[in-house]
Amino acid sequence: GQNIDQPTEMTATEGAIVQINCTYQTSGFNGLFWYQQHAGEAPTFLSYNVLDGLEEKGRFSSFLSRSKGYSYLLLKELQMKDSASYLCAGMDSNYQLIWGAGTKLIIKP
Amino acid sequence: NAGVTQTPKFRVLKTGQSMTLLCAQDMNHEYMYWYRQDPGMGLRLIHYSVGEGTTAKGEVPDGYNVSRLKKQNFLLGLESAAPSQTSVYFCASSSLQTGETGELFFGEGSRLTVL
Repeated sequence: GQNIDQPTEMTATEGAIVQINCTYQTSGFNGLFWYQQHAGEAPTFLSYNVLDGLEEKGRFSSFLSRSKGYSYLLLKELQMKDSASYLCAGMDSNYQLIWGAGTKLIIKP
Repeated sequence: NAGVTQTPKFRVLKTGQSMTLLCAQDMNHEYMYWYRQDPGMGLRLIHYSVGEGTTAKGEVPDGYNVSRLKKQNFLLGLESAAPSQTSVYFCASSSLQTGETGELFFGEGSRLTVL
């Protein structure tokens, strides 16, 4: 079957660094995606990885290891506005997105 | 820029009632999707469309119907609402290209409660 696993909740301190892990199992693989979703709002696209390695975009970076079925989202210099849920999604061979349940990130001052 | 707009934002239904959720996008996207989001679960695809006049079933299509008569609109219908359909519904769209790279543009969501 297809499955995406990520922690339910994480807590971090403002100004610190946090890494949100995601493991995936999909039928075929066409990429791994991260979305941010603030409470009561729509998900918004953060990053896309299809090759192994690290993709950096400002304070956010995303890493992929296809051999391990593993990805992480790294958030640096945390700000209070980063408090949100982070959704990991894998794209299967039919270009359908398989979504994880999301990781709720709580930032404390 | 409006992007993806969903109406209504909130609705309360009684079991057995029917309703339609409307999604409109102004980005000329080919692909449109309806998802539901429930606590503790990932987004689940209900139906999707790869172009005007076409629709296809997703992961959880039972109890829902859709229509894509115009490219910019994607309607989701509940024929006979059940409490299990209480959820937040998200519409999303993508261009032909981003449909393969996963960048979806989401509406703000429609919160439906079935009593």
